[in-house]
Amino acid sequence: AIRMTQYPSSVSASTGDRVTITCRASQGISSYLAWYQQKSGSAPKLLIYSAATLQSGVPSRFTGSGSGTDFTLTISCLQSEDFATYYCQQYYTYPRTFGQGTKVEF
Amino acid sequence: EVQLEESGGDLVQPGGSLRLSCAASGFTFNIYNMNWVRQAPGRGLEWISYISSSGATMYYADSVKGRFSISRDSAKDSLYLQMNSLRAEDTAVYYCARESGRFGDYSFDYWGRGTLVTVSS
Repeated sequence: AIRMTQYPSSVSASTGDRVTITCRASQGISSYLAWYQQKSGSAPKLLIYSAATLQSGVPSRFTGSGSGTDFTLTISCLQSEDFATYYCQQYYTYPRTFGQGTKVEF
Repeated sequence: EVQLEESGGDLVQPGGSLRLSCAASGFTFNIYNMNWVRQAPGRGLEWISYISSSGATMYYADSVKGRFSISRDSAKDSLYLQMNSLRAEDTAVYYCARESGRFGDYSFDYWGRGTLVTVSS
């Protein structure tokens, strides 16, 4: 199985900050990568697919980049509603695998 | 509006069985691939199963292979997960998730709210 490693596991930030989360795949996955946001007690929400394409309705302050094994999610100007846990996921092959999550907290 | 609603979660003893359902609405269910993803308390997301739009192809995580079975009923717009030989480590919130229908993209664009399965004596 492809292992997805995210770092940091948590980040302390303030409103207005720029936050970058990194995801590394144990083998190349081209651009078959998604980012999800999960708020406490809620289901995950798709933010970005194909490594860099913003899902409809997601604010443009979220950007994704990377291909192959190294990917990043950047939140350019953190808003209060962005405090959540973020997961990367590869869909290059089965089993689908997620990173362990990065909690963005105040 | 796309909606996915899971049901069937319960408290079950180790070794027991449970069947989860996911009712889909707001889209043409029979043209989308579907998945089950679970999340143990305080833990991350774990993909556990996939079924193709036709129901002909299924995949499972090693952690559930041989114990869980995914199926779908297009007449009822529903997805199912039959869970047998349940273990304490199967305790989790179980989500159904729709795979995007976009060409070349297999991300999960819609998720249900989840149903809680607790395996304990």
